[in-house]
Amino acid sequence: QLQLQESGPGLVKPSETLSLTCTVSGDSISSSNYYWGWIRQPPGKGLEWIGSIFYYSGTTYYNPSLKSRVTVSVDTSKNQFSLKLTSVTAADTAVYYCARQAFKKFDYWGQGTLVTVSS
Amino acid sequence: EIVMTQSPATLSVSPRERATLSCRASQSISTNLAWYQQKFGQAPRLLIHGASTRATGIPARFSASGSGTEFTLTISSLQSEDFAVYYCQQYNKWPFTFGPGTKVDIK
Repeated sequence: QLQLQESGPGLVKPSETLSLTCTVSGDSISSSNYYWGWIRQPPGKGLEWIGSIFYYSGTTYYNPSLKSRVTVSVDTSKNQFSLKLTSVTAADTAVYYCARQAFKKFDYWGQGTLVTVSS
Repeated sequence: EIVMTQSPATLSVSPRERATLSCRASQSISTNLAWYQQKFGQAPRLLIHGASTRATGIPARFSASGSGTEFTLTISSLQSEDFAVYYCQQYNKWPFTFGPGTKVDIK
């Protein structure tokens, strides 16, 4: 059974960089023809896609509204993929989810991790 | 960017009644649409993909239809575990976008 688990600091200071990792178990990131993505959800609000990576080609796709601040990458040795979001503000406070994309739809999700931006 | 809208924002339904949720795309997305269910404090769960195909393990009381710009999710007989927020999402074109959600609550 595929499982995804987000990890990283729950509190980040304004203007700093938010860094999260998603550990995948039950499948290999490098052996599967999937995209791997990040989605976030501010408290009490809806879902926003952040970015995705297609391991086979190394191609990344980012939400234009965040593109200048976002990097998604893969570490196959650890079977993980990561999110970096720079220059964070209070508006970046959200639950961050990692997910697998099979034929681009999000079919498996992590449980989510709350990241608060505050000094 | 393709804008997704959903209606109504809130739907109050009695148990065992039918619920019909709507989703609209600002331009044609063919059948590249997914529906997700999110219960409080949980991650979203994929219900439907390809506009009408139930995901693995999803009960038959969930059905969906549509293509182009107009889509519908129907829950034929609401069970207590179905009270949640439902989101549609297009994956026809990057950036992938979600609708604002429809909350289904108990009448």
